[in-house]
Amino acid sequence: GAVVSQHPSWVICKSGTSVKIECRSLDFQATTMFWYRQFPKQSLMLMATSNEGSKATYEQGVEKDKFLINHASLTLSTLTVTSAHPEDSSFYICSARVGGRNRGLFFGEGSRLTVL
Amino acid sequence: GESVGLHLPTLSVQEGDNSIINCAYSNSASDYFIWYKQESGKGPQFIIDIRSNMDKRQGQRVTVLLNKTVKHLSLQIAATQPGDSAVYFCAEDNYGQNFVFGPGTRLSVLP
Repeated sequence: GAVVSQHPSWVICKSGTSVKIECRSLDFQATTMFWYRQFPKQSLMLMATSNEGSKATYEQGVEKDKFLINHASLTLSTLTVTSAHPEDSSFYICSARVGGRNRGLFFGEGSRLTVL
Repeated sequence: GESVGLHLPTLSVQEGDNSIINCAYSNSASDYFIWYKQESGKGPQFIIDIRSNMDKRQGQRVTVLLNKTVKHLSLQIAATQPGDSAVYFCAEDNYGQNFVFGPGTRLSVLP
């Protein structure tokens, strides 16, 4: 399968600081990447769709000024959690689609964010 | 909207037995599905996919069955091993835009 790399795998930060998470497609180009948030013992919640060269599309209820997404190249999307608070602590996972419809979706390893 | 489960159903299976994990999907027009395995603290891992023009697809020790009439998907794992213990998610392609995920099922393999 296709390889998606996510970094960092875990991060601890103080309340009020910003944290950037990177998502890279290593062996394919991804015009579209997706960012998910996952709470313990729950399914994946889609936060936003990241489109290369254009603005991200956010799901209802997700603050775009809080979760900044940048997709500057065909292999890199970043999620920045701005002014993080303890309630932002979660597992964040990115994914990228290989090709278009009816093609596989592959995930990064996930990033565990803990805000103190 | 996305499917977010409030709790995870659990399936306990004896090592060596076969496992069957079920999933109901919502959109009768969905034409592509994926099963994922997620181990604790890791991202979901692609297991097997199936397109709607097929009823069954087999991989290594895994089989996916698709019943479009009742909008049901299942994942069968043969000779379940301890390493199969994880949470399994089904996902349906949402018109080629994104994927909608099921609530997940936790598979516990008993020694």
